[in-house]
Amino acid sequence: DVKVTQSSRYLVKRTGEKVFLECVQDMDHENMFWYRQDPGLGLRLIYFSYDVKMKEKGDIPEGYSVSREKKERFSLILESASTNQTSMYLCASTMGGRRADQPQHFGDGTRLSIL
Amino acid sequence: GQSLEQPSEVTAVEGAIVQINCTYQTSGFYGLSWYQQHDGGAPTFLSYNALDGLEETGRFSSFLSRSDSYGYLLLQELQMKDSASYFCAGTPRYSSASKIIFGSGTRLSIRP
Repeated sequence: DVKVTQSSRYLVKRTGEKVFLECVQDMDHENMFWYRQDPGLGLRLIYFSYDVKMKEKGDIPEGYSVSREKKERFSLILESASTNQTSMYLCASTMGGRRADQPQHFGDGTRLSIL
Repeated sequence: GQSLEQPSEVTAVEGAIVQINCTYQTSGFYGLSWYQQHDGGAPTFLSYNALDGLEETGRFSSFLSRSDSYGYLLLQELQMKDSASYFCAGTPRYSSASKIIFGSGTRLSIRP
């Protein structure tokens, strides 16, 4: 079974802090994704990566950056946290290529509160 | 633009059948997927329709009509544990990787 592990389930940070959210998958997947989930808005893609050191912006990349130095690890960085970044953050992974029938495997999420 | 539209809430009775619709406005998707998410949990994959027609997996079935830009998830013999949010999702035809766009989700409530 694919395991996607996010480093924290709950996190509380202060406005202006630099925040790191970590995600690790154990199935040698090429593609990894970061989403945020807010009530009534579903899952919105922040960034995704299709290979080590490769990344592409999703639909809402402003205020975020990512790092993929190793295949199994994909980090989301909030450069200077703001209250509107309070949300549930979900990491996911899939096998490589553009096969649309591949299911996305999600971590349990990190509920981030910015005070 | 690329978007998928779903009803925000649906209520049904235990043992009954319910259909959750998904319509999309886009230049095209590679098929349609469905995910289930229980409160506090991670989304989990349910099904994928690459071609038009009905795909059945146990109590759940999913349907796609690409000419109508429409799909649905059908849940039969509803159980209380089916209370969850359900998301349709699609991979845009011209995306550079296995990027998926999700609908805003349908919250399904089951009454005894």
